[in-house]
Amino acid sequence: EAAVTQSPRSKVAVTGGKVTLSCHQTNNHDYMYWYRQDTGHGLRLIHYSYVADSTEKGDIPDGYKASRPSQENFSLILELASLSQTAVYFCASRDNSNERLFFGHGTKLSVL
Amino acid sequence: GQQVQQSPASLVLQEGENAELQCNFSSTATRLQWFYQRPGGSLVSLLSNPSGTKHTGRLTSTTVTKERRGSLHISSSQITDSGTYLCAMATGGNNKLTFGQGTVLSVIP
Repeated sequence: EAAVTQSPRSKVAVTGGKVTLSCHQTNNHDYMYWYRQDTGHGLRLIHYSYVADSTEKGDIPDGYKASRPSQENFSLILELASLSQTAVYFCASRDNSNERLFFGHGTKLSVL
Repeated sequence: GQQVQQSPASLVLQEGENAELQCNFSSTATRLQWFYQRPGGSLVSLLSNPSGTKHTGRLTSTTVTKERRGSLHISSSQITDSGTYLCAMATGGNNKLTFGQGTVLSVIP
């Protein structure tokens, strides 16, 4: 079974601080994604990447940066965390052959 | 932008009953996918269906692309089926998924 690992599992950050969420996959998948989920809502795409050293904007990229230093690793960076960025963040990778998505366990971020 | 609407928002069934979850999308989708999420948990891919009908176990996914709708049928529901079911449509050459808000299913004894 494909594996996607996120760290940390939860984090409390202060407004204006910098936050980095990490994602690691051992699936040899090309595509990786960062989504956020807010209570009572579905997932919204922040950034994605299809190759190392390249990232693409998703539907809600404002306030977020992404970094893909290698095929296995994909990070989400909040340079100046804000209250509105409190949410659960999910990383996913996509199987190259059948386009099935594999998700990490999520990171619960609370910005105070 | 693209929108995905799911109905019902919530559903309560007795164990053994069947469930029918609906998904409507605002633009032409190249593929419809269904996911399952436990409370506070991660998402698991259930079915990916570009069109027509696809089965796996007690799950049946039907996608009618021209009518911009899809459905997930769960037969003989079990208590362990409880959770949130999310549908997502693929666009942009299948590179991006847009998610609906989900249907919360509760199966009671």
